[in-house]
Amino acid sequence: RKEVEQDPGPFNVPEGATVAFNCTYSNSASQSFFWYRQDCRKEPKLLMSVYSSGNEDGRFTAQLNRASQYISLLIRDSKLSDSATYLCVVDNTGTASKLTFGTGTRLQVTL
Amino acid sequence: EPEVTQTPSHQVTQMGQEVILRCVPISNHLYFYWYRQILGQKVEFLVSFYNNEISEKSEIFDDQFSVERPDGSNFTLKIRSTKLEDSAMYFCASSEQERTGELFFGEGSRLTVL
Repeated sequence: RKEVEQDPGPFNVPEGATVAFNCTYSNSASQSFFWYRQDCRKEPKLLMSVYSSGNEDGRFTAQLNRASQYISLLIRDSKLSDSATYLCVVDNTGTASKLTFGTGTRLQVTL
Repeated sequence: EPEVTQTPSHQVTQMGQEVILRCVPISNHLYFYWYRQILGQKVEFLVSFYNNEISEKSEIFDDQFSVERPDGSNFTLKIRSTKLEDSAMYFCASSEQERTGELFFGEGSRLTVL
């Protein structure tokens, strides 16, 4: 089983739609979880950390389910500028010195 | 906004040659990292560096790789004898605190080995 597994997509959604991505991780001892965003041929950028209680940042909501070992990202009211690859990232070390990235889920928002 | 800068943006080299990729982390950051991404694949951890020594390294980071902080600002990745499979985008990253997972990545250095 892959350490971090994501549906590669692409998810093609119209502007204004709500879209959700899931990610599963294999190591039950994983400590911290993040969503990064990567535009085509660009560097990853932190979108948000994922807390046990769930957290929201504007149109973005992240949830963690430790029992089932999955993380989700919900994007409401999608914008054209949300088109990117969303990377699920897990810290297995507890120090965040070595992050494990998923292969990413590609989102394409269309008019 | 402070940023991580990397040079060169693209380097083409012959197999067996030495390559040095350079990075200037954000000035008040103390933790430094190299990651790489082979085209079409996931971002992979190479090495983390703190207090002038390697904190952690992956199995990819073998004897052909080394890192150095030669002065107060630069952080370099050296590949001693490049192989075809070293062709990838190499990302430098830095963070203020080790435990946040909030890494700031540079724009990357694309290495092509012929």
